[in-house]
Amino acid sequence: NAGVTQTPKFRILKIGQSMTLQCTQDMNHNYMYWYRQDPGMGLKLIYYSVGAGITDKGEVPNGYNVSRSTTEDFPLRLELAAPSQTSVYFCASGRQGDGTEAFFGQGTRLTVV
Amino acid sequence: TQLLEQSPQFLSIQEGENLTVYCNSSSVFSSLQWYRQEPGEGPVLLVTVVTGGEVKKLKRLTFQFGDARKDSSLHITAAQPGDTGLYLCADNTDKLIFGTGTRLQVFP
Repeated sequence: NAGVTQTPKFRILKIGQSMTLQCTQDMNHNYMYWYRQDPGMGLKLIYYSVGAGITDKGEVPNGYNVSRSTTEDFPLRLELAAPSQTSVYFCASGRQGDGTEAFFGQGTRLTVV
Repeated sequence: TQLLEQSPQFLSIQEGENLTVYCNSSSVFSSLQWYRQEPGEGPVLLVTVVTGGEVKKLKRLTFQFGDARKDSSLHITAAQPGDTGLYLCADNTDKLIFGTGTRLQVFP
């Protein structure tokens, strides 16, 4: 079972470059989330989506963009990479917002130099 | 914006010891979850609590939800090295917000 799949697993970007982190889930979940996790810290919500065509800001949205054209896919876009965006990024999905389990991908380790 | 504070931030103990981790919120939880994250992996759900005063047990782990639904605790009995990881509480009311985390290291 695939679950939540993130690509790439690792990436090094130069300052000012852009990239898209891919996230796909095959569980037909309506909710999807993007988080960043800095070393030794908890997870901070970047953006989330409650269904196809609907996205909303989380706790730390600046410098990022998302889209949700299908139920399965929720890509995260970095337009002008900055060293402060060096982090591990996790995508997650869940069936609905209230009390149900969220399933996470394996993470993308991004370094901006 | 809801803030979820966890304490302690770090905990380093010997195998066989007991420990308690706390999660406190600035507002009332509708439902509170506890996740554990191991190095290099995403978090995995341990438990969901929804009723004030609720107590749930998962083998050696005991989860308690405060009567006012603004705090929760996780107690581990006789900790084992396999319990090592980052423990995260989370509010999953309408979006999933995580606490600051408690990093637990259990030495043999």
